[in-house]
Amino acid sequence: KNEVEQSPQNLTAQEGEFITINCSYSVGISALHWLQQHPGGGIVSLFMLSSGKKKHGRLIATINIQEKHSSLHITASHPRDSAVYICAVRPTRVPRISGGSNYKLTFGKGTLLTVNP
Amino acid sequence: DSGVTQTPKHLITATGQRVTLRCSPRSGDLSVYWYQQSLDQGLQFLIQYYNGEERAKGNILERFSAQQFPDLHSELNLSSLELGDSALYFCASSVPDPAQFFGPGTRLTVL
Repeated sequence: KNEVEQSPQNLTAQEGEFITINCSYSVGISALHWLQQHPGGGIVSLFMLSSGKKKHGRLIATINIQEKHSSLHITASHPRDSAVYICAVRPTRVPRISGGSNYKLTFGKGTLLTVNP
Repeated sequence: DSGVTQTPKHLITATGQRVTLRCSPRSGDLSVYWYQQSLDQGLQFLIQYYNGEERAKGNILERFSAQQFPDLHSELNLSSLELGDSALYFCASSVPDPAQFFGPGTRLTVL
């Protein structure tokens, strides 16, 4: 079983619809990232969360640490939102004496979102 | 534009060969991470460097090695290439900001 599970794997929506992508994880984490990967391949970091909720434009990300679950919502979806959305978790940080920390990420398989006009 | 650069953008080579992928982090970022993205495995963490020192290792094969230089750029060396090594290789940088900024990736095709 993967440490990070996303659902759904594929999602098709009509322009204007409200979209939710879910992420569940099984390890203790210090942060959760939502990433967007466009068809060209480039990856953009959308959010980094350790608690609560963050909003940026039409995107909202929430996390429930007790339930080990996060959601990414897109309001008023648009065809340009079509991309793969990837959830990634940073396992609980272990401080190092020499400074700097281990920020290794573990990734979900991604959700392919297609928004049709 | 994340500020992270990777070269080359595309690389086509043959089995058994050796290649070097290069990454320049954002100005001021001390950590560099390497990731492999293949169709069947998704994104996987390979290795992290912080200020020239190896910090964490993931699913990196023994045929692969990396280093971070004093100017903080990093190179990922892949040797004895196999067909299954064909993938997108991303580097990301971070620290002091813990958010990771990804480069555009290098698409490696092994024929």
